[in-house]
Amino acid sequence: SAVISQKPSRDICQRGTSLTIQCQVDSQVTMMFWYRQQPGQSLTLIATANQGSEATYESGFVIDKFPISRPNLTFSTLTVSNMSPEDSSIYLCSAEEDGTAGANVLTFGAGSRLTVL
Amino acid sequence: AQSVTQLDSHVSVSEGTPVLLRCNYSSSYSPSLFWYVQHPNKGLQLLLKYTSAATLVKGINGFEAEFKKSETSFHLTKPSAHMSDAAEYFCVVRGGGADGLTFGKGTHLIIQP
Repeated sequence: SAVISQKPSRDICQRGTSLTIQCQVDSQVTMMFWYRQQPGQSLTLIATANQGSEATYESGFVIDKFPISRPNLTFSTLTVSNMSPEDSSIYLCSAEEDGTAGANVLTFGAGSRLTVL
Repeated sequence: AQSVTQLDSHVSVSEGTPVLLRCNYSSSYSPSLFWYVQHPNKGLQLLLKYTSAATLVKGINGFEAEFKKSETSFHLTKPSAHMSDAAEYFCVVRGGGADGLTFGKGTHLIIQP
């Protein structure tokens, strides 16, 4: 299965700043996604990162707050803009593997744990 | 629309005893169902998946789950718990059409020595 690398793995940020999280997949994948996991909570989909076009955001998430790039089939970034303590979460990158064997299965990165002071 | 309910937020068992983590789902389509495990400070790892083949699905680390359409359930079981099984477990449903994945709220599995 695909291997997903995320960085940073964790960071402590000041209120009002922005941070960009990088996600690298070791193979080409069609679908990449960004999730948020707030403390003690389940995963919530932020957006689908579309290669060559604007990301598709879920209800409650907007591009100005969470700009996403997807320049190719193996890489994506998520920026958390103008951060507040409420943005303290784990942000996870995931990819859906192509092909029959891996169809419909998401592989996840280890996550980026952000703490906003 | 689809949803998934994990019936227990915490489950505690003794090492060597059976594990049962309960999951019920709803979906307008024939769903795909998954169980993921998240160890502390780690990403999510796929344990097993059901995608309309055999209703009893075997996964990694001795876990298995049975899809029961009549009960809309997909409970996760393991005959004998090991200390390394202590983690957060997520039941996930994916319906058809434009539905993406929906995650349950998670069940925290505690293994007592």
